[in-house]
This record gives sequence, structure tokens and C-alpha cells, in this order.
Amino acid sequence: EPEVTQTPSHQVTQMGQEVILRCVPISNHLYFYWYRQILGQKVEFLVSFYNNEISEKSEIFDDQFSVERPDGSNFTLKIRSTKLEDSAMYFCASSPGQYNEQFFGPGTRLTVL
Amino acid sequence: AQSVTQPDIHITVSEGASLELRCNYSYGATPYLFWYVQSPGQGLQLLLKYFSGDTLVQGIKGFEAEFKRSQSSFNLRKPSVHWSDAAEYFCAVGDLQGGSNYKLTFGKGTLLTVNP
Repeated sequence: EPEVTQTPSHQVTQMGQEVILRCVPISNHLYFYWYRQILGQKVEFLVSFYNNEISEKSEIFDDQFSVERPDGSNFTLKIRSTKLEDSAMYFCASSPGQYNEQFFGPGTRLTVL
Repeated sequence: AQSVTQPDIHITVSEGASLELRCNYSYGATPYLFWYVQSPGQGLQLLLKYFSGDTLVQGIKGFEAEFKRSQSSFNLRKPSVHWSDAAEYFCAVGDLQGGSNYKLTFGKGTLLTVNP
């Protein structure tokens, strides 16, 4: 069964460093998402992406964040200058259509020291 | 703004017992409602969804949920719990208002422990 994959599973970085979290969505899906979950808190929507552009972003998704689909398979989330409060589990999701369910990856745990 | 409340942070049941996990939502229009499950080290797996139609929805692994508009609830049920059901369960509402596809708003989750 096809699934969303994410790498790395755990990333440790120093405050101020740039990180790129990678996701490979399910191959025939058209809509892509990033969510995050700070420890002990809710899973929160960050951004949605369709047709090579951002379709919606939350207020969390400020200028430090960017997303890209550099080729036909990868979907990346970049944090330009990490802060301590960016420490969280980051989930990628994809969906085949506008109103279909979202399929989630296993997440990348980001730790900012 | 939409919100989801899962009032039970942690529930413990015995294997074979019935289960009900509560979920209440706040949303202005007809909601898209979901239950996801997360096992340790795994991603979020969809158990079931409600978009429209029959308010009693069947899902995978023997789970069902009932949408009650009057109570703004979407409770998850299972008649007989198995040890493998131990996991964290998340209720979510899909919000279409902001753009061309929906974003999910999640509850805080309910951790289910199953005693042998």
C-alpha cells in the first residue's frame, strides 16, 4: 500500500541554523500539507500546497518557513533560522483530491538546541 | 474559528470491553469530521470520516462514529477493544472556508490504554 514517507525521522539542530525536512507524498496525489505538533499540544496546520503554489498558510507559517516541490516526488519544508520554539514533530500529508482524506507520514521530530 | 475538544486525555479499558471516545467541535458550516489514530513511531492513520449522508459512519478496525449535529459531537465507538487498539486517538474537523482545499483542525488527542 502506498504511503507518505518523511526523512529524517529525527533532526537535531542548533538555534539559528537552517533545516530542511523532506517528504515524499503518495505518487498520484495533488495536494500537500505540513502540520506540526509541539510536545503536549495539538497537531496544528502550517501550510497547504497545490499546483506548485501555497494555497493556504497559518499564522505560524511566517517568513522563516518555506515549502517547495523541487521535483516530481519530493515536498520540502525549510526553516531558515530555527528557534527553540520550532522544536516539534512535523507531519507531512498528501491527498489525491480537494475533498479526499489526507494521508499522513510518520513525522520528523525536530529538536532545536 | 473552528475548534475541536476531546475532553478525555487518557482512558483505560480492559480488553474486550466497549469503548467510547468523545469529540465535540465548533464549526460554522457543515463539518467534515475525522478520527485518526497514532501508534508510537507511526504517522496518523485515518480510522473514519464523515462528509455527508448517513450520520453513523463505519471505519477500519471495527470502529464507528456517530455525527450528532444537535450536540456538535462525533464520538468514536468500538464494541470490543483489542490490546492492539492501544494508541492515541485524534478527532479533527476539516475547514474549507480558507481556501481551495481543506485544512484539518485537531483535538488534543485521547490516549487509550488497554489492560489485559
